Amino acid sequence: QVQLQESGPGLVKPSGTLSLTCSVSGDSIVNSNWWNWVRQSPGKGLEWIGDISHTGTTNFNPSLESRVTMSLDTSRNEFSLKLDSVTAADTAMYFCARVLPATGTLEWGQGTLVTVSS
Amino acid sequence: DIEMTQAPSTLSASVGDRVTITCRASQSISYWLAWFQQKPGKAPKVLIYKASTLGSGVPSRFSGSGSGTEFTLTISSLQPDDFATYYCQQNNSHSPRYTFGQGTKLEMK
Repeated sequence: QVQLQESGPGLVKPSGTLSLTCSVSGDSIVNSNWWNWVRQSPGKGLEWIGDISHTGTTNFNPSLESRVTMSLDTSRNEFSLKLDSVTAADTAMYFCARVLPATGTLEWGQGTLVTVSS
Repeated sequence: DIEMTQAPSTLSASVGDRVTITCRASQSISYWLAWFQQKPGKAPKVLIYKASTLGSGVPSRFSGSGSGTEFTLTISSLQPDDFATYYCQQNNSHSPRYTFGQGTKLEMK
């Protein structure tokens, strides 16, 4: 059974950088797949942030592309998200997710709440 | 972006009812449509993928249909555990790769 678990600071100051990590168990991030980040806020609903492949190729939502970085840590079987220059509008529940094989859809972690506030 | 529009936003129903939620895409997405169920504080759980394929372990009272731009999720006989929020999601575009409907909250009448 595959499990994804998000971790990182729950509070980030405005203009700072949001940094989150997703720990994966039951699957290897070097297997052929795409590893995703999605966020959910009351104001904007569910918003796909981007994904990173097992080879490190990335795709980002154009609305966030200028502020987003994603990376893999194969030694820890983790992948990470960094979002720069955050504002209150970036306050959301952040989910990591993998593509369910042969379905084209996502299997999600439990999510972690990040609040942007001074 | 491909916009996904769900209706209704809120649905009141009783145990045993048959309920239908619709999702419309702003352009054709073929059959690349999934339905998720989400309960408060929990991760979304896939119910249906590729418009009509039942997810692993999902009860058969859930079904999906449609293609192109119009899709429906039907629950044939509502159970107490089904009161939740439901989202549709498309994955037919490259950028952004996924977009979601705004959700339908299914509440007890």
